[in-house]
This record gives sequence, C-alpha cells and structure tokens, in this order.
Amino acid sequence: EDKVVQSPLSLVVHEGDTVTLNCSYEVTNFRSLLWYKQEKKAPTFLFMLTSSGIEKKSGRLSSILDKKELSSILNITATQTGDSAIYLCAVDRQAGTALIFGKGTTLSVSS
Amino acid sequence: GAVVSQHPSRVICKSGTSVKIECRSLDFQATTMFWYRQFPKQSLMLMATSNEGSKATYEQGVEKDKFLINHASLTLSTLTVTSAHPEDSSFYICSASGGAFPDTQYFGPGTRLTVL
Repeated sequence: EDKVVQSPLSLVVHEGDTVTLNCSYEVTNFRSLLWYKQEKKAPTFLFMLTSSGIEKKSGRLSSILDKKELSSILNITATQTGDSAIYLCAVDRQAGTALIFGKGTTLSVSS
Repeated sequence: GAVVSQHPSRVICKSGTSVKIECRSLDFQATTMFWYRQFPKQSLMLMATSNEGSKATYEQGVEKDKFLINHASLTLSTLTVTSAHPEDSSFYICSASGGAFPDTQYFGPGTRLTVL
C-alpha cells in the first residue's frame, strides 16, 4: 500500500531556531514529491522535487529529495512566528492517480 | 483515525453531463469540508468551504452554479460539476476538519475528472 509518512507530527520552537521536517514515502510509480504550507485555509505550494540530490531554495526554506532513501527534508532557518503552520508532504505517482499526502507536521514558532 | 474518503477515484464523462463527487469522513464528524482542484504541476486551489447544514462559501472566480456543493450531514459532502466541459478536467480533492482536531485538515485521496 502506498503511503507517505511525515515526522515529527508536531514541533514547537523559538524564533530564530532552525527546523528540519521529514517526509518518507513508499509508493509505486513515483513521479514527484511536493511540500505545502497550510495555515488557515488552503495549503500553499512550496516545492516540487523530482530529482534526487538537487536542493530547492526559497528564502529561508529549502528542501531536498533522496530517492535512494525514499525521503525528503524541508529545512527552515531563522524561524519566524509567521512560519507557524502545518507543513504537508505529498507524493505524485503515475498520471491519472491521486496525490498521496502525509498527515502533516504542525510547527509552532514562539516569540 | 481521521480518515477521509472520496468516490469515485476516477471518472470520465462526456461534455455536457454532470458528475457528482462524494467526500466522506469515515471516523469523525466533519463540521467543515473543503473542496480543492489541482491542475497538473500546480498547487491545490481552494474552491469552496462547506459547513454542515449551511451554504458553501465559494472562492472568488469559482462559479457556484457550476460547482454545486452540498454538506447535508457531518460525514458527507458532495461536489457536483454541472454541464462539465473539457476545461473542468482536473483533480478534485476534498479535506475535512472537525471532531478532536478542528484546526487540522484531513485530505481525501482525490478524484480525477476527465471530460471528453
């Protein structure tokens, strides 16, 4: 059975800390891994990763995929209270199939 | 716990027909359900927010007469795409929140709609 597992499920840090969120997957016909940030409403897209070992960066956020380990990490440096959200990892498989989402990591950044 | 199902997982229909997609929370009462659509290589786009027993709130640009949403019970919401056209072909994903985790959205697996 295809699955995506995120860890930790929740995390509480202080402003300025660096955090690493993990996502592992077991799927057939893997195409890409996606990270989303979810606040009050719709998740917002962060990264799409298809190639192993190539880091993607956006400001203080970065992510990398390891196809050998079937996993990905999302790093956030110098965290801010605005980073508090649920971070969702999802895997895209072959065309015509639905995304498989992990349950998310709830990040709380205190000032 | 906190499982959300969608049915069907995949549907192909002819242009002009209507398609109903069901979203069910299997082990909790979902006071709020969300409907998203996702085009290839794009993020989820929120279409509407649906609260049990009340009318859905649609996002700007989403035609409520075309995408009919009904949230008649705490475990079921339906999205009906009326008079479907090829441009409606997309992934439709629902999520639900409520029960012990009101601030967490649990996503359904998605429904792939293809309109010929």
